[in-house]
Amino acid sequence: DAGITQSPRHKVTETGTPVTLRCHQTENHRYMYWYRQDPGHGLRLIHYSYGVKDTDKGEVSDGYSVSRSKTEDFLLTLESATSSQTSVYFCAIWAGRDDQPQHFGDGTRLSIL
Amino acid sequence: GQSLEQPSEVTAVEGAIVQINCTYQTSGFYGLSWYQQHDGGAPTFLSYNALDGLEETGRFSSFLSRSDSYGYLLLQELQMKDSASYFCAVGTGRRALTFGSGTRLQVQP
Repeated sequence: DAGITQSPRHKVTETGTPVTLRCHQTENHRYMYWYRQDPGHGLRLIHYSYGVKDTDKGEVSDGYSVSRSKTEDFLLTLESATSSQTSVYFCAIWAGRDDQPQHFGDGTRLSIL
Repeated sequence: GQSLEQPSEVTAVEGAIVQINCTYQTSGFYGLSWYQQHDGGAPTFLSYNALDGLEETGRFSSFLSRSDSYGYLLLQELQMKDSASYFCAVGTGRRALTFGSGTRLQVQP
């Protein structure tokens, strides 16, 4: 158990509504990441954080924003959800040491109708 | 940019050995990782190579050749529970990972 909790685990919402996904860690790790996974694709990086209030964009950041006001929480927000954002979202953490891998949360399955 | 290529599907029988290859192109490289993912589950870490050579962890081994931009995952003594998707991933800046599209391994009795 890598101490990562994602919430909600499942969500169905409508196009145009705002959505916030939460990633909570108990490991006090500096690095946190948001990925999305679609059928036939590996995970693709949306945004990541390397400290409180320090974030950067990943490969597929358009339409998403993030915030990290506390070490333990990393929020992903879809300001106005679109059907193309229907996906499974995974949060990951990294201890910052080369001998330590990224560990993933259980994922959030998001459907936008 | 980064890109990784791996086969989409592999089938093998119980007890056999299977090798999943991964070639990559990347502008930054901080090691090659392998993850396993069962249907509906989260990716779980299997192995990591920062330097050339072979890393062994139980039934799983991983190899890296940085000069060839190539690596592989070797699974020995296959079991039915090994049926899953396997992803190679390259570490980039601040250790963000770029993943391949995954190899679906089906183990048959």
